[in-house]
Amino acid sequence: DVKVTQSSRYLVKRTGEKVFLECVQDMDHENMFWYRQDPGLGLRLIYFSYDVKMKEKGDIPEGYSVSREKKERFSLILESASTNQTSMYLCASSLWDRGKTYEQYFGPGTRLTVT
Amino acid sequence: QKEVEQNSGPLSVPEGAIASLNCTYSDRGSQSFFWYRQYSGKSPELIMFIYSNGDKEDGRFTAQLNKASQYVSLLIRDSQPSDSATYLCAVSAGFQKLVFGTGTRLLVSP
Repeated sequence: DVKVTQSSRYLVKRTGEKVFLECVQDMDHENMFWYRQDPGLGLRLIYFSYDVKMKEKGDIPEGYSVSREKKERFSLILESASTNQTSMYLCASSLWDRGKTYEQYFGPGTRLTVT
Repeated sequence: QKEVEQNSGPLSVPEGAIASLNCTYSDRGSQSFFWYRQYSGKSPELIMFIYSNGDKEDGRFTAQLNKASQYVSLLIRDSQPSDSATYLCAVSAGFQKLVFGTGTRLLVSP
């Protein structure tokens, strides 16, 4: 069974704080993703990594950065949290293949509130 | 901008009926298609994937793909109240990524 875990289920931070969200997967997947999910807007990709130290911007990377130092771990960093970053953050992982896009498996999510 | 469209619902069906959920996508080059179920407050959970035109069945679920019409659907037979959730359609978009629809909310009444 694929298992994706996230460091916190709920998090409350103040405006301007630096926030770290961590994700770990145990299935040796090459690809890892960070999304945010907001009502009416669906899942939006923030960043994607297809290998250690490799990253690619998604659709909404502004205000975020990522780190992937080990294959199983992908961190999302909010450099200076703002209230408009209050959201549900979801991490996912998938296998890499040159010619095929595989299914993604999601962690339980972190509901972040910035006050 | 690659898009995936779903009716937001809610789609209401009685227990035991067939629920039909639909999805259209804009990118003709998409090759992989997925359905996820998401309960309120939880993360998306994979139900099915389909890569080829036609039908694919798994238990009470059937995924249907028509690439010419750029259309994917999910049928749920013998719907149960526990099937009440939001169903997300996801379509491959470029290198290793998926684009998700905003989901259809399904309500199954006892």
